[in-house]
Amino acid sequence: DVKVTQSSRYLVKRTGEKVFLECVQDMDHENMFWYRQDPGLGLRLIYFSYDVKMKEKGDIPEGYSVSREKKERFSLILESASTNQTSMYLCASSYQTGGSQPQHFGDGTRLSIL
Amino acid sequence: DQQVKQNSPSLSVQEGRISILNCDYTNSMFDYFLWYKKYPAEGPTFLISISSIKDKNEDGRFTVFLNKSAKHLSLHIVPSQPGDSAVYFCAAVTGGFKTIFGAGTRLFVKA
Repeated sequence: DVKVTQSSRYLVKRTGEKVFLECVQDMDHENMFWYRQDPGLGLRLIYFSYDVKMKEKGDIPEGYSVSREKKERFSLILESASTNQTSMYLCASSYQTGGSQPQHFGDGTRLSIL
Repeated sequence: DQQVKQNSPSLSVQEGRISILNCDYTNSMFDYFLWYKKYPAEGPTFLISISSIKDKNEDGRFTVFLNKSAKHLSLHIVPSQPGDSAVYFCAAVTGGFKTIFGAGTRLFVKA
C-alpha cells in the first residue's frame, strides 16, 4: 500500500525559529510536493520537486525553502517562522509520467507559530 | 486570482439521494481534472479523474461530468451514503503535473 509519512502531526514553534517539516514516501515516486491548507483557500502549492536535488517554486514560496537530497525524502524549511505561517501543511507525491497521475498525500502537519 | 473555483462551501444531502458538487475553472489549457476526498485529520485521497478530451467518467457511485464550453465540471454521487461526508476538492492539472486545487466543498450526508 502506498505511504506518504509526515514526521509530525502537530508542531508548535516560536516566531523567528527555523522549522523543518519532513516527508518520506515509499512508492519510488519522482514528484514530491508541499502544500498548505487554509480555510476558504483550499490547497496552495509552496514548492515541488520532480527529481533529486531539483526544485521548483509553487504559488506561495515566500518564506519557505525545500531540500531533496534523496528520492524518498522532501523537506520543507521555514527559515524564520512567522505567525502567518500557522497552517496545515500537506506533503504529496506522484509518478512522473502524465498529468492524470493522482497525488498521494500524507496526513498533514498542523503547525502553530506563537 | 483563483483558476479553480468551488463556489459552494457546504452541501447537505439526505442519505440515498444524489449529491452534486460543482467546480468552475478559467484556464482552457488544463489537461486533466481530478476530485479528491478529505476526512478530518487525514490527507486528501484521490477519488476520480477525467481527461479534458472526455465529457464523462464513471466509477461505481461516482460520476464526473465535464462541460468544456462552460468551463465547468461536476461530481455526482449516487446514492449518497453517510460515509461520503467529507470535504471534496476539485483539482485541475496543467503543464504535466502542476495541480491547482479549489477551496473545497464540505458534504454532509444525513442518515
